[in-house]
Amino acid sequence: DTGVSQNPRHKITKRGQNVTFRCDPISEHNRLYWYRQTLGQGPEFLTYFQNEAQLEKSRLLSDRFSAERPKGSFSTLEIQRTEQGDSAMYLCASSEGAPRGNQPQHFGDGTRLSIL
Amino acid sequence: AQSVTQLDSHVSVSEGTPVLLRCNYSSSYSPSLFWYVQHPNKGLQLLLKYTSAATLVKGINGFEAEFKKSETSFHLTKPSAHMSDAAEYFCVVSDLHGPLVFGKGTRLSVIA
Repeated sequence: DTGVSQNPRHKITKRGQNVTFRCDPISEHNRLYWYRQTLGQGPEFLTYFQNEAQLEKSRLLSDRFSAERPKGSFSTLEIQRTEQGDSAMYLCASSEGAPRGNQPQHFGDGTRLSIL
Repeated sequence: AQSVTQLDSHVSVSEGTPVLLRCNYSSSYSPSLFWYVQHPNKGLQLLLKYTSAATLVKGINGFEAEFKKSETSFHLTKPSAHMSDAAEYFCVVSDLHGPLVFGKGTRLSVIA
């Protein structure tokens, strides 16, 4: 399978703990996106990378959140000192980037985070 | 700023009847528009995209959507619903620089 891969699929943790999620994009895609989806809502943009450069961060991305894409391949999203409100599905997507314009984003199956 | 309004939170149809999921958008730029589908506990699958070529866009699984600039609409249709179409559908707008802006979704139920 050469689609977007996310690990773990589910994460249950206690409030105050740190968690880290991983996303492996489609290999030839140089853009990688993180979104958050809460119950009954559409996904909301968090941040995106062009290769290893983090080009945009949403105001939703508080200072407890950090994302990296060190070699322009896989990415990690870390949440420090988790709070109840962090419970959500975290989705990763990848796409071809410029100069081909706005290419469709391909999504992984997400990581569901539950905070006890 | 871009935004999307999905006019129905839930649509219920009988199997074999037409499907219409309504979407209006707002964009300062010439937008790219998409429809994605999400089955329970799964990621999102692209159904179709509009990027300023033909205004009638054909997608996978028999779905199509028509871009109407004068009405700022991008409604999704299918002539005949199948049980497997039951899912959450998202209308999405984006400019050239990437991040997608999603609507709140429309849950499609298909009754046998």
